[in-house]
Amino acid sequence: DVKVTQSSRYLVKRTGEKVFLECVQDMDHENMFWYRQDPGLGLRLIYFSYDVKMKEKGDIPEGYSVSREKKERFSLILESASTNQTSMYLCASSLKRTSGLGRGYEQYFGPGTRLTVT
Amino acid sequence: QKEVEQDPGPLSVPEGAIVSLNCTYSNSAFQYFMWYRQYSRKGPELLMYTYSSGNKEDGRFTAQVDKSSKYISLFIRDSQPSDSATYLCAMRDIIQGAQKLVFGQGTRLTINP
Repeated sequence: DVKVTQSSRYLVKRTGEKVFLECVQDMDHENMFWYRQDPGLGLRLIYFSYDVKMKEKGDIPEGYSVSREKKERFSLILESASTNQTSMYLCASSLKRTSGLGRGYEQYFGPGTRLTVT
Repeated sequence: QKEVEQDPGPLSVPEGAIVSLNCTYSNSAFQYFMWYRQYSRKGPELLMYTYSSGNKEDGRFTAQVDKSSKYISLFIRDSQPSDSATYLCAMRDIIQGAQKLVFGQGTRLTINP
């Protein structure tokens, strides 16, 4: 079974703190993703990575950075947390496939981290 | 305008009803269509996927795609309380070789016993 784990289920931080969210996958997937999920807005892509040390901005990268030093681990960093970053953060991973069909495009999600910034 | 639009609901129906969940999209380059199910306090899980216009059936679930209208649907027959969840449509885009998914807002569904 594919497993994506996230370091914390619930996190409470203060405004201005540096926050690290960790994600680990055990299926040797090349691609990893960070999303945030907010009511009425769905899942929005923050950053993604398709290889070790590679990173690409998603749709809402402002206020975030990422690190991928090992294939199985993808970290999301909030350099200076703000109240508008209070959200559910979801990590996902997938195989790297550029052609063909089938279930290989599936993204596997972790359970999420509910971050509250006060 | 969002690339993918999904009615956020919430939707509440009695057990046994037929449920229809819908998404529209604007990018005609989308080729691969998925439905994810997300239970409360869990991450989304893939429920169904399809890549061509028409219907695909899996048990009580049917995924329908109409590429000419840029419209996809998920039908649930004989709905059960265990189907209560948030359902998200998703479509594949390709950026830098990674399969980026574009998600709808999600529809929160409750099946009442």
